[in-house]
Amino acid sequence: GENVEQHPSTLSVQEGDSAVIKCTYSDSASNYFPWYKQELGKRPQLIIDIRSNVGEKKDQRIAVTLNKTAKHFSLHITETQPEDSAVYFCAASKTGGSYIPTFGRGTSLIVHP
Amino acid sequence: DVKVTQSSRYLVKRTGEKVFLECVQDMDHENMFWYRQDPGLGLRLIYFSYDVKMKEKGDIPEGYSVSREKKERFSLILESASTNQTSMYLCASSQRDSDTIYFGEGSWLTVV
Repeated sequence: GENVEQHPSTLSVQEGDSAVIKCTYSDSASNYFPWYKQELGKRPQLIIDIRSNVGEKKDQRIAVTLNKTAKHFSLHITETQPEDSAVYFCAASKTGGSYIPTFGRGTSLIVHP
Repeated sequence: DVKVTQSSRYLVKRTGEKVFLECVQDMDHENMFWYRQDPGLGLRLIYFSYDVKMKEKGDIPEGYSVSREKKERFSLILESASTNQTSMYLCASSQRDSDTIYFGEGSWLTVV
């Protein structure tokens, strides 16, 4: 089955800095890669996703890149703000099945004011 | 907005008790999931269901069972709770053939 590795497990940055979270996956058939943000005590929520026919996607201060050859994808957050502090999960899944995502272990992002 | 509701947010149960965690979704989704979330281990799939009365084991089904008698409701059952099942449990749902899954708020279970 799919295996998703996520690094780092904890990331501490100063407000205004950039943050990068990286994930690798093992199943070359995976073609959908969502990122979820989970604030303390709340549910994980989808913040951005990318499909395997696209190399990069941006939404305001967040972007995701995908390297299919190397089987890794990354989340980039620019101009970080304290409200970006949360746990971020990457995931990988493939269409044509039950669309069950395999999640990484999560990254706790702390943005210091 | 999709709503996935977990009826119990915080529970404390004794070892050996039978525990029911209930989840209801209001968007007529075919797929429903139960995940367990532990620090440093991420989200691990316990069971999923793609239709009424259908269920499939996930990565960590041992010690758990599920029930889906109605499309909107998916229950997680701990037949005999143990302390190593102390965790946060997340229910989720999605449409058939859709990538996007929607999570409930989570149920914090402590087994003493």
